Amino acid sequence: EAGVAQSPRYKIIEKRQSVAFWCNPISGHATLYWYQQILGQGPKLLIQFQNNGVVDDSQLPKDRFSAERLKGVDSTLKIQPAKLEDSAVYLCASSLELSAGDTQYFGPGTRLTVL
Amino acid sequence: RKEVEQDPGPFNVPEGATVAFNCTYSNSASQSFFWYRQDCRKEPKLLMSVYSSGNEDGRFTAQLNRASQYISLLIRDSKLSDSATYLCVVKRGFKTIFGAGTRLFVKA
Repeated sequence: EAGVAQSPRYKIIEKRQSVAFWCNPISGHATLYWYQQILGQGPKLLIQFQNNGVVDDSQLPKDRFSAERLKGVDSTLKIQPAKLEDSAVYLCASSLELSAGDTQYFGPGTRLTVL
Repeated sequence: RKEVEQDPGPFNVPEGATVAFNCTYSNSASQSFFWYRQDCRKEPKLLMSVYSSGNEDGRFTAQLNRASQYISLLIRDSKLSDSATYLCVVKRGFKTIFGAGTRLFVKA
């Protein structure tokens, strides 16, 4: 079974530029998550989708971050404009359902460096 | 205060040692608990779920203490390959909260 796919794997941009990340979850997984992991910290949930609807985006900095999951499959996360503090690994995860006990499977992440 | 707290370590142990990590959570409404493992520059992977009755998977034992609001992970007979960061995860409704992780180094 194919895992969660993410691209690009690495991205270097200058501050105030825009960047977009792409995620393809495991086939059949209804729930998709975007996390931000800053070096030395645990992943922080940015946004969570159930099919193509947003379940929780309370920690998404909406002035600069946006995400969508059109058709309830692939998802994109965008940052516009980027700041130095956005340097982090952006992890996408998916799970079969939204239940509390469901296992989340993570993609390899996109490592973003903002100069 | 963070909702999920872990001792960042690092824990440096010799091969064959037994090591234990604790994780505390502050919200009593928390419902589900997990330990994830994250290797350097890799994504987190589920190690095991944690149940009130305690559960064991080979050399790994996880326990939940709801009264004191902490979960624990015990690793017996440590292997070099156990070197990683161990992330405590708590779910409350739709929310997933990760701890900052505990780093473990197992040395020969």
